[in-house]
Amino acid sequence: QTVVTQEPSFSVSPGGTVTLTCGLSSGSVSTSSYPSWYKQTPGQAPRTLIYSTNTRSSGVPDRFSGSILGNKAALTITGAQADDESDYYCVLYMGSGIWVFGGGTKLTVL
Amino acid sequence: QVQLVESGGGVVQPGRSLRLSCAASGFTFSSYGMHWVRQAPGKGLEWVAVISYDGSNKYYADSVKGRFAISRDNSRNTLYLQMNSLRPEDTALYYCAPDLHTTPYWGQGTLVTVSS
Repeated sequence: QTVVTQEPSFSVSPGGTVTLTCGLSSGSVSTSSYPSWYKQTPGQAPRTLIYSTNTRSSGVPDRFSGSILGNKAALTITGAQADDESDYYCVLYMGSGIWVFGGGTKLTVL
Repeated sequence: QVQLVESGGGVVQPGRSLRLSCAASGFTFSSYGMHWVRQAPGKGLEWVAVISYDGSNKYYADSVKGRFAISRDNSRNTLYLQMNSLRPEDTALYYCAPDLHTTPYWGQGTLVTVSS
């Protein structure tokens, strides 16, 4: 069974740029995977940042952008702020109606 | 504005059943596929099931296939998840969401606890 992979943890300095990735244990991510990205802080529902590869959700700052980098989906955060410290999840469409979330990345801003 | 309100969660014994509901408003419910996603305590997000806009197609994660059934009533703008043969590992916060690839909306979730 194909697994969706994310970095378990990542660290970025305030004001810095970080790129989180979302890949497949077997195969490549493409726009047909419709990658979406979510930010979640403890005790809160997920907040959609990006859907369908690079469509930014309403109200999401343009510091957040989505793309395909090589064979993975990517979420790039520029000008990192303390408020960006959170868990980030991606989801991919696997075909045949099936969707799979990645295990999440814990982002630390320090 | 878009609202998704999940309900029906609670504490249930292993092997029993529970039906979750998701009341939708603020968008044309009947035009969108709908998903259930869950999150066990302290764990990541897990996709559970999806139903097409008209209810004709339904797909499930392997972990719930054969035990859970997704359905919808477009006349009531409501999504359902019938959960049978519940297991302790089904304990989670259950969220509903419309098409993950075309909309950004999520509900606040309803908590299901499976415990004896």
